[in-house]
Amino acid sequence: DTAVSQTPKYLVTQMGNDKSIKCEQNLGHDTMYWYKQDSKKFLKIMFSYNNKELIINETVPNRFSPKSPDKAHLNLHINSLELGDSAVYFCASSQSGSRNYEQYFGPGTRLTVT
Amino acid sequence: GQSLEQPSEVTAVEGAIVQINCTYQTSGFYGLSWYQQHDGGAPTFLSYNGLDGLEETGRFSSFLSRSDSYGYLLLQELQMKDSASYFCAVRETDKLIFGTGTRLQVFP
Repeated sequence: DTAVSQTPKYLVTQMGNDKSIKCEQNLGHDTMYWYKQDSKKFLKIMFSYNNKELIINETVPNRFSPKSPDKAHLNLHINSLELGDSAVYFCASSQSGSRNYEQYFGPGTRLTVT
Repeated sequence: GQSLEQPSEVTAVEGAIVQINCTYQTSGFYGLSWYQQHDGGAPTFLSYNGLDGLEETGRFSSFLSRSDSYGYLLLQELQMKDSASYFCAVRETDKLIFGTGTRLQVFP
């Protein structure tokens, strides 16, 4: 059983396009996250949601818009894609509060913008 | 500001012991986590230190000294499958701040 799943696994698109990445977790966690990992493997948090409420927005350009329809799903929509958006995007989930140190990551979505 | 420093690369042979250090400077600190990531894979949780001292989980141990803003991950009886990147991550109130990662290469 997959704990945290993401679709698609690979995404190749051209500059200026709009794309979405979907994430689902079946762990019963309250908190979900989006991370961006660049080519140097630097892993940086973008957003987090707790029970569908936005908790963290780490000064991400407003071309990126997360949406959480329920606490098991967190999607990421990206408008007007730029070359610098090329990266691996990871969704993650955790229990809220004091156990947020243990996060479960999805397999990642490798986004390539040409 | 926030910063977490780790060595960029460490090499070792099978069966050896290796220590990966992490020093941090953050505005808020609740504890230090460690994650492993194989090439092409997702980060997976290894260990957490909320208090000073040593935490042991099988072949892996993690240590924290809050007064020194320092922690380390100790990997014993290294196996080829331990070749991966290892990240320390500071736990703040609502999030983890990840270090730059250490690439461990284990040779036969």
